[in-house]
Amino acid sequence: EDQVTQSPEALRLQEGESSSLNCSYTVSGLRGLFWYRQDPGKGPEFLFTLYSAGEEKEKERLKATLTKKESFLHITAPKPEDSATYLCAVQAYNFNKFYFGSGTKLNVKP
Amino acid sequence: NAGVTQTPKFRVLKTGQSMTLLCAQDMNHEYMYWYRQDPGMGLRLIHYSVGEGTTAKGEVPDGYNVSRLKKQNFLLGLESAAPSQTSVYFCASSRSLNTEAFFGQGTRLTVV
Repeated sequence: EDQVTQSPEALRLQEGESSSLNCSYTVSGLRGLFWYRQDPGKGPEFLFTLYSAGEEKEKERLKATLTKKESFLHITAPKPEDSATYLCAVQAYNFNKFYFGSGTKLNVKP
Repeated sequence: NAGVTQTPKFRVLKTGQSMTLLCAQDMNHEYMYWYRQDPGMGLRLIHYSVGEGTTAKGEVPDGYNVSRLKKQNFLLGLESAAPSQTSVYFCASSRSLNTEAFFGQGTRLTVV
């Protein structure tokens, strides 16, 4: 069965304390894996797209990586403004199969 | 920079009532989507459109209908609302099939 699982559900970090969020997926034919950030009361905001195993992308304090079974979102020296829910989404070659994980809620304390 | 605009932002319906949610995008995107977001379940695709005049079912289409009469607009209809349709609804658009989607601010719908 196709599915996307994110862990942990919630993560508390001190400002400057680096960590990683995980997105594990099982899907028949990966077209792409997407990372989004969602702030309370707002729609998801696009961060990265990864298309093949071994691919990496970076943006400021965030770095996304992809293997054949999972993706990691690494957060280096986070700041309080990085606090948000981070969503992972997987798109299969059969287009109507587009799965979002339930997200990791990140709280960065000053 | 309007991007994707959803109306209304909040709505309370009684069971059995009908309503239409409107989504408008100004980025000339071909693809548009409707999702619902429920606690602990993530975003689930309801319906999508790959161009003006086309629609297709997503993961959870039952109880909803959609129309895309104009390229910039994607309407989501509830013909007879049920409490199970209480959710936050997001519209999104994208340039092509596997490029990033841009989301609206969401519509919080409560069915009592």
